[in-house]
Amino acid sequence: GAGVSQSPSNKVTEKGKDVELRCDPISGHTALYWYRQSLGQGLEFLIYFQGNSAPDKSGLPSDRFSAERTGGSVSTLTIQRTQQEDSAVYLCASSLVRDGGYEQYFGPGTRLTVT
Amino acid sequence: GDSVTQMEGPVTLSEEAFLTINCTYTATGYPSLFWYVQYPGEGLQLLLKATKADDKGSNKGFEATYRKETTSFHLEKGSVQVSDSAVYFCALRPGSARQLTFGSGTQLTVLP
Repeated sequence: GAGVSQSPSNKVTEKGKDVELRCDPISGHTALYWYRQSLGQGLEFLIYFQGNSAPDKSGLPSDRFSAERTGGSVSTLTIQRTQQEDSAVYLCASSLVRDGGYEQYFGPGTRLTVT
Repeated sequence: GDSVTQMEGPVTLSEEAFLTINCTYTATGYPSLFWYVQYPGEGLQLLLKATKADDKGSNKGFEATYRKETTSFHLEKGSVQVSDSAVYFCALRPGSARQLTFGSGTQLTVLP
């Protein structure tokens, strides 16, 4: 079946612009995660959605970052007023949280470059 | 807080050599432990996992044993292949959380 998909695969933007990154999780997966992979910081957790519960935003680095998940499926990560330090690969993952299941399936990522 | 310390790379081996990538962790409670692999140009894939002390995870010839006494989860393979060239990430999931905490990754290159 289809895996986690992300778009765009690459995004180049100017400093100060807003960007939106999209994630389509595996159908039926109730949990969705965003991570960031950068040279200096490795792989960092950003935000987690589970069903209709309030998201866990504890990993968001600043208030310029926000995310939403519509209809329990597609998610959008928005970065406002981008800075050069936001350049990274943004990874989305989903999992089927049922009966203790928690394996996370990752998408290919969106490479964001802020110039 | 929770953290994962991973052997720094890059690691370069000849085909059929023995592989060990060290991973130690710091966590409260009883985390689940994972190894993920990222092949060139591809996304992260779960390689193996262990959910409690003394569990051994295994897949594709790779093994790792959850050692609570040494807080370690070292990755091993008896005979590596060129196709194993990738970046390997050790990760933990605390018992009370869903998100993963990753190590810094180890780049493995296997030469023919």
